[in-house]
Parts: sequence; C-alpha cells; structure tokens
Amino acid sequence: KNEVEQSPQNLTAQEGEFITINCSYSVGISALHWLQQHPGGGIVSLFMLSSGKKKHGRLIATINIQEKHSSLHITASHPRDSAVYICAAQTGANNLFFGTGTRLTVIP
Amino acid sequence: GAVVSQHPSRVICKSGTSVKIECRSLDFQATTMFWYRQFPKQSLMLMATSNEGSKATYEQGVEKDKFLINHASLTLSTLTVTSAHPEDSSFYICSAREQGAFGKLFFGSGTQLSVL
Repeated sequence: KNEVEQSPQNLTAQEGEFITINCSYSVGISALHWLQQHPGGGIVSLFMLSSGKKKHGRLIATINIQEKHSSLHITASHPRDSAVYICAAQTGANNLFFGTGTRLTVIP
Repeated sequence: GAVVSQHPSRVICKSGTSVKIECRSLDFQATTMFWYRQFPKQSLMLMATSNEGSKATYEQGVEKDKFLINHASLTLSTLTVTSAHPEDSSFYICSAREQGAFGKLFFGSGTQLSVL
C-alpha cells in the first residue's frame, strides 16, 4: 500500500466546473504539499499546509489531520488548469512521499 | 518569487558517457536540495538529499557511485550520471527548500535524459 493515495487518477471537466482532487495518507506528517506538473515536466509548488485551509486565487487546499485527508479544489476551472496534480506528504524535515498524481483535463 | 533553475532541460548522450545536471536557487540560499527521478506516468521518486558542504544522503537502492551529487555552495547542486546506460533514461527533477527545515519547496523544470 502506498503511503499517499490520490483520487481520481484521471479527471476530465468542462470549463467552469468546480473540481476536487482528494489525497489520503497513512503516515504522520509535518506538512502536506500540493504540486502542479505541466506537460513538459516542470513542477510548481501550489500549497504547503499542516492544518486548516489555504487559498490562492481559484485554488483552495484543505487538510483534516485527524482523518489524514487533504483536498485540492479548483473553482471556475479553465483549460490552462490542465495538468497533473500531485499530493506529497512530508514526514520530518526531509522525507516526502508522493502520490501518483491526478491528471486533470479541462475542456473548453 | 523564489526560482530554481535546472539545466539542461533535455540531453541525449551515448551509453558510457557521463552527464551533469545543474540545479541553482536563483534568489535564495538552499542549504538542502533534493534530487528526484520520474518514469513515464509515474510519480516522483526521491533519489537523494543534498546538503551544502557535506555528503549527500541517498535513498535505498540508489547507487551513490552512479549518481554523484555535489552541493558545493548554498545556491548550486549538481547531479552527475556516470557511465550512463539506457536504463538511466528518465526525467530528473531537483528541488530546493527555502529557509529552514520546513521552508517551502521550489522545483526545477526538470531534465529529460535519453541514453542511446
């Protein structure tokens, strides 16, 4: 069993839809990361959170420490949001366990 | 904002040659940098943790003599794939942590290595 499980693996949405990507983890974490990987491979760190909720533009990340679960929400989705979204659980200072990613395609 | 620059973005080499990949933090000091490997349609796999001025810490199963890591300054870490073979073909990504043990991670754009 992987330490980090993401769902869904693939997601197709119409432009404007509200999107939710889920992440469950089994390890004790010091932080939870949400990353975005575009075609071509470059990765952008979207959020690092250890409790509660963070918002940046149309992106919202939440975490429930007791349930070991985090969600990434995208409001008013746009084709440029199409990417692979990766959840990563940080344990201690250096260890990161990565989910296998959710491939999002937003259709105009 | 903080940026991590990784070069080259793509390299094709012959089997048996060595390839060096550079990872630079452009506007912050990174005492710790990380090197990952990613196979097609798979997630990132941590290869090693690079600490400025000391030896890198390699993950289990990663050959340290094969993947040489040097972190000689607070802004530069290099990964050298020695005597590359086709099975080393992969996407390599670095990241750097900003300020302290739980600083935000910034990722390089990655290097696609193809060994012929």
